[in-house]
This record gives sequence, C-alpha cells and structure tokens, in this order.
Amino acid sequence: DAGVIQSPRHEVTEMGQEVTLRCKPISGHDYLFWYRQTMMRGLELLIYFNNNVPIDDSGMPEDRFSAKMPNASFSTLKIQPSEPRDSAVYFCASSLSLGNNQPQHFGDGTRLSIL
Amino acid sequence: AQRVTQPEKLLSVFKGAPVELKCNYSYSGSPELFWYVQYSRQRLQLLLRHISRESIKGFTADLNKGETSFHLKKPFAQEEDSAMYYCALLSGGYNKLIFGAGTRLAVHP
Repeated sequence: DAGVIQSPRHEVTEMGQEVTLRCKPISGHDYLFWYRQTMMRGLELLIYFNNNVPIDDSGMPEDRFSAKMPNASFSTLKIQPSEPRDSAVYFCASSLSLGNNQPQHFGDGTRLSIL
Repeated sequence: AQRVTQPEKLLSVFKGAPVELKCNYSYSGSPELFWYVQYSRQRLQLLLRHISRESIKGFTADLNKGETSFHLKKPFAQEEDSAMYYCALLSGGYNKLIFGAGTRLAVHP
C-alpha cells in the first residue's frame, strides 16, 4: 500500500483565492483526520470522519474552512477565501477502527503558503 | 479536560548521552498513549504505544499513572534520532488523538 496520499505537496497562492487540499486514505481505513501544523500551535486536529461522516469539526478554525468526504477513498479540505495566517502544513491521516492497536497513518502533508 | 503537555520545546544533547523527552497528560479514564516522531520534512510516524510495552529504535516509554506521565527515554542518543517528537493521548469514544506541542530533539556529534 502506498500509504495516505496527499496532493498537492506544495501550494503557493495569493490571499483571497480558494485552496483545495486532497487526501486519499489507506484502503480499508474507516477513519480520516485532517490536521494543521504550525510553529506557533503545533499539531491541531481540524476535523475527522468515520465512514465518510464528519464526527467532530470543532477544530475547524472558522467558516472559511470546509471539509468533505464524498466516498471512502477521497477527502478534501477547502479554504475560501484564503488568508496569510492559513499558511501551514496540512496533514491527513487515516486509521482502522477504534482502539490502541489501530494507529493513525499520516500522509506527507501539504505545505501551504498564502501570500 | 483532556490535555497533553510536553514542557520542552527543544532538547539538545550530545551523541551517546541519555535522553528523556517529557510528557504529562490529563485524562479522567484509563489513558492510551503514543509517541509519534517526525524526521525533517517527513511524515509523522508512530514510534511506540504504551500498551505494547515495546522498544523501538532503542526508545522506551513507561506509563506512570501516579505521576500522569509517559516520558520517552533512550540511554544513548544517536545523531539520526534528531527529529520532532509528539506525545499523543487517545481520546475516549472515537479514535481521536490529542497531541502535545512537540519537542524537538537535536543530537550533536
């Protein structure tokens, strides 16, 4: 398995533009997580899905952020409109069902720069 | 409140020295704890989990419920251990991890 696949690896865009980050979880994993990593705040959970249904979106910073999971093999995180303070590395992770024996597997991340 | 605290942002040691990365947690139930590692510009990887009581790359971590700690230790640090280390707590119910702020370990030759 290629693991969790994220695209793009890098994104540079001007403020005000719409940004879409993509994630393909490991096949068979029924949990999918979106994280944001910054120097100031470390690793923050934004939202996670179970069987394509959003379970907890309390970490989504504001209405400009939205996430979808239309099927078991694909998820998007969208920022519209983007702002410079959204610059960060965004990670996607997936895991099998509950429990300690099912760790989260992370993608390589998308490094987002908003100018 | 469920919380993970890693008090040190940076830990700098020389090769061969012992290493202890501190992690304290706040959780009302029976905790399930992990250490993740992120090497430079790579993805986060699971290093070890407390329930397995394993040693990975020479690292061990013991859960101390009395002190609510899960410190990561290695007797002799290597340069390739230089990385960002995150302690994480599995939140009850769903498979949600709560991460600490991370500690950057720098091992100098």
